[in-house]
Amino acid sequence: KAGVTQTPRYLIKTRGQQVTLSCSPISGHRSVSWYQQTPGQGLQFLFEYFSETQRNKGNFPGRFSGRQFSNSRSEMNVSTLELGDSALYLCASSLASVGRGTDTQYFGPGTRLTVL
Amino acid sequence: GDSVTQMEGPVTLSEEAFLTINCTYTATGYPSLFWYVQYPGEGLQLLLKATKADDKGSNKGFEATYRKETTSFHLEKGSVQVSDSAVYFCALGRSSNTGKLIFGQGTTLQVKP
Repeated sequence: KAGVTQTPRYLIKTRGQQVTLSCSPISGHRSVSWYQQTPGQGLQFLFEYFSETQRNKGNFPGRFSGRQFSNSRSEMNVSTLELGDSALYLCASSLASVGRGTDTQYFGPGTRLTVL
Repeated sequence: GDSVTQMEGPVTLSEEAFLTINCTYTATGYPSLFWYVQYPGEGLQLLLKATKADDKGSNKGFEATYRKETTSFHLEKGSVQVSDSAVYFCALGRSSNTGKLIFGQGTTLQVKP
């Protein structure tokens, strides 16, 4: 089975621009979660999508948004980029559905975003 | 709220040494606990997990036991190899907080030949 894929792997943007990152989950997985990883803050949860609906959200400003498509692929968007948005953005997929408990999340390789 | 605390690194060991990386958590009830590993330039890989008290997760020689009484999930390996050099993350998840894992700060392990 193919793993979680993320595109692009590397991205360089300037302040004020916007960016869209893409994540394709493992086949059959319906939940996609996004995380931001930085040296200072570590791994922080952004949001989770299940069946095209945002089911959970972390503590990030509204500039960070996402969506999920009917094939479970997900995108996240960051508008009006700031220098502090430079990070590794990881997506993870799982089978998770209501009543299944805490399913294992499988991570992609990440997208390295640099904001200049 | 829920939180995870890991021992600070870096941890430097010689090959074949015994490894312990401490992880403690703060949470009510019975969350699930995970260890993930991150190699340079890569995403996170699941190493092992435990979903209830006294469960022992194990994989590739690594083990961790879910200790409810001490709220701990320490990672151990009897004999480390150079290839085990990586960053190790302890994480907590709940079925009521869907899709969200709470991670510790990560512990860097360097194994020298």
